Amino acid sequence: DAGVTQSPTHLIKTRGQHVTLRCSPISGHKSVSWYQQVLGQGPQFIFQYYEKEERGRGNFPDRFSARQFPNYSSELNVNALLLGDSALYLCASSPRTHEQYFGPGTRLTVT
Amino acid sequence: SQKIEQNSEALNIQEGKTATLTCNYTNYSPAYLQWYRQDPGRGPVFLLLIRENEKEKRKERLKVTFDTTLKQSLFHITASQPADSATYLCALEDGGSNYKLTFGKGTLLTVNP
Repeated sequence: DAGVTQSPTHLIKTRGQHVTLRCSPISGHKSVSWYQQVLGQGPQFIFQYYEKEERGRGNFPDRFSARQFPNYSSELNVNALLLGDSALYLCASSPRTHEQYFGPGTRLTVT
Repeated sequence: SQKIEQNSEALNIQEGKTATLTCNYTNYSPAYLQWYRQDPGRGPVFLLLIRENEKEKRKERLKVTFDTTLKQSLFHITASQPADSATYLCALEDGGSNYKLTFGKGTLLTVNP
């Protein structure tokens, strides 16, 4: 079975631009979560979606938004990029249990 | 304020020994505690989950303990191998958080041959 996939793998953007990151969960998983991981830190929770509804939001500004589609894939959008948004963005899917299965991440660099 | 602390940023041990990693937390009431492994440039990989009413969980060479009185979890790798070298992350799920995980910074384990 394919694991969680994310695209793109790497991205370079300029301050002020907008970015869209994509995630496809493991087949059968209806829950998708997004995390931001900066170098030297653990992942930090951004959003969780289940059955296309937002179930949780972390302490991130409104520039961050997400959605989940009928096929359970998900997009994370970040507007008005700042240098501090440079990080590894991780998507995780979960069956109806508590462990999460992470994708390889998208490395975003903002210059 | 809420805090999750993993005992050290880095731990070096000799092959064959037991590695013990510590996760301490304050101002949480975790219903579940999880351990993940992360290799450089990759996403975390789930290893073990332990519930608040469980004291110990084992899986092959891995063992996790959970002491809600001490607010601490210990993660052990027995008969360690160089292939076990990675960053290990502790993650808490608060009761009622609906699967939101809060991670520690991780401990970089290096197993020397």
